[in-house]
Amino acid sequence: DTGVSQDPRHKITKRGQNVTFRCDPISEHNRLYWYRQTLGQGPEFLTYFQNEAQLEKSRLLSDRFSAERPKGSFSTLEIQRTEQGDSAMYLCASSLLAGDGNTIYFGEGSWLTVV
Amino acid sequence: AQSVAQPEDQVNVAEGNPLTVKCTYSVSGNPYLFWYVQYPNRGLQFLLKYITGDNLVKGSYGFEAEFNKSQTSFHLKKPSALVSDSALYFCAVRFNTDKLIFGTGTRLQVFP
Repeated sequence: DTGVSQDPRHKITKRGQNVTFRCDPISEHNRLYWYRQTLGQGPEFLTYFQNEAQLEKSRLLSDRFSAERPKGSFSTLEIQRTEQGDSAMYLCASSLLAGDGNTIYFGEGSWLTVV
Repeated sequence: AQSVAQPEDQVNVAEGNPLTVKCTYSVSGNPYLFWYVQYPNRGLQFLLKYITGDNLVKGSYGFEAEFNKSQTSFHLKKPSALVSDSALYFCAVRFNTDKLIFGTGTRLQVFP
């Protein structure tokens, strides 16, 4: 396994611009998660997919945020009309549905800075 | 509501000494409990988990954790700390729903 891969690792954008992050989960992992982490805080759940179905969304996920996993493989997280409060690290994670004791494995994260 | 508490923002320990990073949880029923470690500007690395069975769980890099149901705790321990163990440690709980709920993290500083 190559692990969970995220791209880009760092993004600096101007307020009001749109940004998109991509996540490639561990091969054959059918669950994919997005979390957000700000400095000094633990990761906060945003949303998760089982295959291509988005099963849960946090109230943190405002209308400006949208996540997709069109073919049940990679996922994208788009933030429209970015605000300075969106500056954070966006973590993607994946897991098998069963058989691995439900361990969730994380990627290296994508840092977003909104200026 | 499910929650996890890490009561210490920072733990300082001398290299070679035992270390403990504390975690307590609040959840009804049987929780799945996890520890992750985060190095600067990196993602989270899985250390160990408790699902069921033996209350003492062994994980990566010589870490272990003890599940205590009566005290609703899952403290992370290591018999002999290394300077390279210095990092941010997160306890997390998973119950019924599929998402992890994280504590606020504890910074471990190991001094030479």
